[in-house]
Amino acid sequence: EAQVTQNPRYLITVTGKKLTVTCSQNMNHEYMSWYRQDPGLGLRQIYYSMNVEVTDKGDVPEGYKVSRKEKRNFPLILESPSPNQTSLYFCASSARGWGELFFGEGSRLTVL
Amino acid sequence: AQSVSQHNHHVILSEAASLELGCNYSYGGTVNLFWYVQYPGQHLQLLLKYFSGDPLVKGIKGFEAEFIKSKFSFNLRKPSVQWSDTAEYFCAVRPSGNTGKLIFGQGTTLQVKP
Repeated sequence: EAQVTQNPRYLITVTGKKLTVTCSQNMNHEYMSWYRQDPGLGLRQIYYSMNVEVTDKGDVPEGYKVSRKEKRNFPLILESPSPNQTSLYFCASSARGWGELFFGEGSRLTVL
Repeated sequence: AQSVSQHNHHVILSEAASLELGCNYSYGGTVNLFWYVQYPGQHLQLLLKYFSGDPLVKGIKGFEAEFIKSKFSFNLRKPSVQWSDTAEYFCAVRPSGNTGKLIFGQGTTLQVKP
């Protein structure tokens, strides 16, 4: 089954404790992207990757890092999480940067 | 800065009513346009998209949208909503020339009363 898988789905952590949210897709898609969803703000793009080893900033990259060492994986790293990073995070992929996005089920992160 | 604006944040309709959700964007060049839907408890999925050609595009579940270039708008419509259309709807714009960036609107929550 074609899917985008994120882990963990739920996480409560404390300020400053590094964490990684993994994202994996099994569709051989070139493009992957991370978004955060906050009430009243919709989805905001954090980072995107057009292909392996190619990443670029979205609209809200501060406090996040990404890497794209393999085509299928695109982890989101919070080196020193802060409470303002409490949010619902979505990973998405598409065959090309301009195509239909396939979304993961979301990861709800709470930073205390 | 490029932005996407959805004017209706929360819409409540009765079944069989007609729906129109507004979406306007600020970008002077060529764009690709999308509407995504998020049903309760589910992940986002594509409703419809516009790349070029006929500005009236049809999507899944009876939805359609019209691209009006002069108004920088891409409004979503459905002639008769059902209770199962209760969801959050997002308009998204991809400016051409930058294939990676995708800008979403704030979202519109649609509640359909049976």
